Amino acid sequence: SAVISQKPSRDICQRGTSLTIQCQVDSQVTMMFWYRQQPGQSLTLIATANQGSEATYESGFVIDKFPISRPNLTFSTLTVSNMSPEDSSIYLCSVRGTSGRGSDTQYFGPGTRLTVL
Amino acid sequence: SQQGEEDPQALSIQEGENATMNCSYKTSINNLQWYRQNSGRGLVHLILIRSNEREKHSGRLRVTLDTSKKSSSLLITASRAADTASYFCATGGGGTASKLTFGTGTRLQVTL
Repeated sequence: SAVISQKPSRDICQRGTSLTIQCQVDSQVTMMFWYRQQPGQSLTLIATANQGSEATYESGFVIDKFPISRPNLTFSTLTVSNMSPEDSSIYLCSVRGTSGRGSDTQYFGPGTRLTVL
Repeated sequence: SQQGEEDPQALSIQEGENATMNCSYKTSINNLQWYRQNSGRGLVHLILIRSNEREKHSGRLRVTLDTSKKSSSLLITASRAADTASYFCATGGGGTASKLTFGTGTRLQVTL
């Protein structure tokens, strides 16, 4: 399994500002995933972050709004830019297991609960 | 977009009873995973079942998969108050490029 930590665990921000969320994994992984969970909803994939290349964004998500960095194989950041109340969500970092058949298992961080006023 | 739907959306049972949650999906899959989420926190991985498997057990959990019906079920036996959480199924197509697509979730409430 993978142990994933995220910072901050929660934040309350003013509209128009930006917040950068950090994700740290205890092992080297090829792909890291960022998900959004709006209040009372399920999880939606924002983007997939590979080390050394541009992140791949899902339909409805753009780099200007959600820039992602992936400087090494254990760390990634997601920035929520120019925030509005509609961005209030839980943001979760996720990775796949690293070995053999276990590489299909996907693990999640504790999430960052963002409230935008 | 959501791959699957789960039912019921909400389930309330008493401690000691069994809880069954169902997940339906639309496209072919390589595997299906079940997760638990406690009160808006991170997701805890419960169990992964592959498309060539029909049933898996882990402690008090039993997962079944019927690929002909594109459905899965999660059974929690002898439920406890600590099982109160939201439960999500997620489907994967397999391979390093495959992304995980989540169902709508079931909110389980276990009362004393």
